[in-house]
Amino acid sequence: NAGVTQTPKFQVLKTGQSMTLQCAQDMNHNSMYWYRQDPGMGLRLIYYSASEGTTDKGEVPNGYNVSRLNKREFSLRLESAAPSQTSVYFCASSEVLSLYGYTFGSGTRLTVV
Amino acid sequence: AQRVTQPEKLLSVFKGAPVELKCNYSYSGSPELFWYVQYSRQRLQLLLRHISRESIKGFTADLNKGETSFHLKKPFAQEEDSAMYYCALANQAGTALIFGKGTTLSVSS
Repeated sequence: NAGVTQTPKFQVLKTGQSMTLQCAQDMNHNSMYWYRQDPGMGLRLIYYSASEGTTDKGEVPNGYNVSRLNKREFSLRLESAAPSQTSVYFCASSEVLSLYGYTFGSGTRLTVV
Repeated sequence: AQRVTQPEKLLSVFKGAPVELKCNYSYSGSPELFWYVQYSRQRLQLLLRHISRESIKGFTADLNKGETSFHLKKPFAQEEDSAMYYCALANQAGTALIFGKGTTLSVSS
């Protein structure tokens, strides 16, 4: 049982390059999320998808786009990477949030130079 | 506004000492609260859910609505408890979790 799988685990980008972070879950969860984790800032919500076919902005959506490809997959795209987007990105999924909280992926460590 | 505050960035204790990681929240109504733990460079793992009133790895947390707190406690710290701890609150719409900034717990012998 893989849970939530993120790829890649590490990435270095040059300023202005684009990339897509992939996330897939095999728990049949309806909701999926993207967070960024920065020192001293905790985890901040970028985008979420409450169900297949819907996406909504979180606290820090600027510079990012998302796609809920199907129930399993939720990708995060950086169209033109900036050094301020250097962070650790976590994908998560949930079924009944208030009862079970999130299951997290292992994270993607992104450096933009 | 919905908010989670973890006032301590770092908490250092000796092995065997009691631990209390503080979490205060701002919320209208009955909050759903969680504690997550992140060991070095690993994924976040759910530690406790307020709704289940469980005890995991010797940790407990009690909701105090009067003080709007959900502090995490353990009577005797172990070195393997060293990690980052996040308190989280389900938002009013029930669609996402709001996290505090985290507290690093360091347990030394």
